[in-house]
Amino acid sequence: SQQGEEDPQALSIQEGENATMNCSYKTSINNLQWYRQNSGRGLVHLILIRSNEREKHSGRLRVTLDTSKKSSSLLITASRAADTASYFCATVNNNDMRFGAGTRLTVKP
Amino acid sequence: EADIYQTPRYLVIGTGKKITLECSQTMGHDKMYWYQQDPGMELHLIHYSYGVNSTEKGDLSSESTVSRIRTEHFPLTLESARPSHTSQYLCASSVAVGWGGELFFGEGSRLTVL
Repeated sequence: SQQGEEDPQALSIQEGENATMNCSYKTSINNLQWYRQNSGRGLVHLILIRSNEREKHSGRLRVTLDTSKKSSSLLITASRAADTASYFCATVNNNDMRFGAGTRLTVKP
Repeated sequence: EADIYQTPRYLVIGTGKKITLECSQTMGHDKMYWYQQDPGMELHLIHYSYGVNSTEKGDLSSESTVSRIRTEHFPLTLESARPSHTSQYLCASSVAVGWGGELFFGEGSRLTVL
């Protein structure tokens, strides 16, 4: 059963706009990770944020973590058509790692 | 790009056939995983391994089996495929001993059982 739940399930934006995806979870975590999956391909790790961190940046990606609300957000700034993919959060709690069902992002040129 | 390879990428077979999905990684990672993913859905862990001669069942009950005779190789076998086995199978590896680290995924094997 999944731990993280992404919201929205699908998001469609224009190139150049920012995209924000959210992940909520139920139990305490050690860290939370975001992955990207192009259609029909494997997942690619984007960023890992530890439970004692509140924000991390990597290029055009910004991840926040609010452990009091048990939620995380992934912001992609200045989106490009090549950012079209599904984005998954994965929560890690001791010996357990769970993926959500993902947010399907479409960036229109 | 991760150095983890899956073959075949696509496979269409008839019911009752035995199939083996291959997964190899050249990163020297001890921990390896098999996930099952239906289109647009979450990933379900079906098997994992801590290292050579270690195999464990994941969260999702699966009729498949795995073996880990070599560090770099983690094949998944279905003795008698059924239409319910139609899915995408993703292999992954990680350097971390525990569950905290980044996973490196292969490109996936999409299986269709007629």
